[in-house]
Amino acid sequence: GDSVTQMEGPVTLSEEAFLTINCTYTATGYPSLFWYVQYPGEGLQLLLKATKADDKGSNKGFEATYRKETTSFHLEKGSVQVSDSAVYFCALSDRSSLRAGSYQLTFGKGTKLSVIP
Amino acid sequence: NAGVTQTPKFRVLKTGQSMTLLCAQDMNHEYMYWYRQDPGMGLRLIHYSVGEGTTAKGEVPDGYNVSRLKKQNFLLGLESAAPSQTSVYFCASSYPLSNQPQHFGDGTRLSIL
Repeated sequence: GDSVTQMEGPVTLSEEAFLTINCTYTATGYPSLFWYVQYPGEGLQLLLKATKADDKGSNKGFEATYRKETTSFHLEKGSVQVSDSAVYFCALSDRSSLRAGSYQLTFGKGTKLSVIP
Repeated sequence: NAGVTQTPKFRVLKTGQSMTLLCAQDMNHEYMYWYRQDPGMGLRLIHYSVGEGTTAKGEVPDGYNVSRLKKQNFLLGLESAAPSQTSVYFCASSYPLSNQPQHFGDGTRLSIL
């Protein structure tokens, strides 16, 4: 079945440091890939997405490139801020594993990022 | 600009009590989902619905029931609450396309004593 593996946290960085959160996946078909962010006390928000190989998703200075050859979708940001402190989830939606008409998301377990001034 | 609204935001129950969590979305989405989030477990799908009047089981459906009588609403029920159901519950909705994201509510924090 489908699965998503992302790096264990927590990750602690100083402000303006470079961020990478690794995410790899297994899927039987041609998934769409997503990064969600969860700020304390809130629900998940879509951060960025990519729907086919070599696509690059970007938003708020974050980027991730869909790498089919390495089955990866690593999240990067060149200079993190204190306001980026949150939990980040990698997820996939695989249209070939359509179950009862629903494209379900498969999530990684999340990576907690703390950015200190 | 409401999106997905969950009520209540917090609740404390005693073992054996029942309750219903309400999810409402104003984006005309076909699909709706209920997840639970536990430390170290990520999000796990409880039940989902692909349209009004339809529901289906997800990964962890035991102890929960759902109903989708109206397209915009998706109810999650606990008939006899157990301490193992202490969790944060999230509702989400989406269009019926694999490349479209799910939109999440802010969650319901439920404690069962």
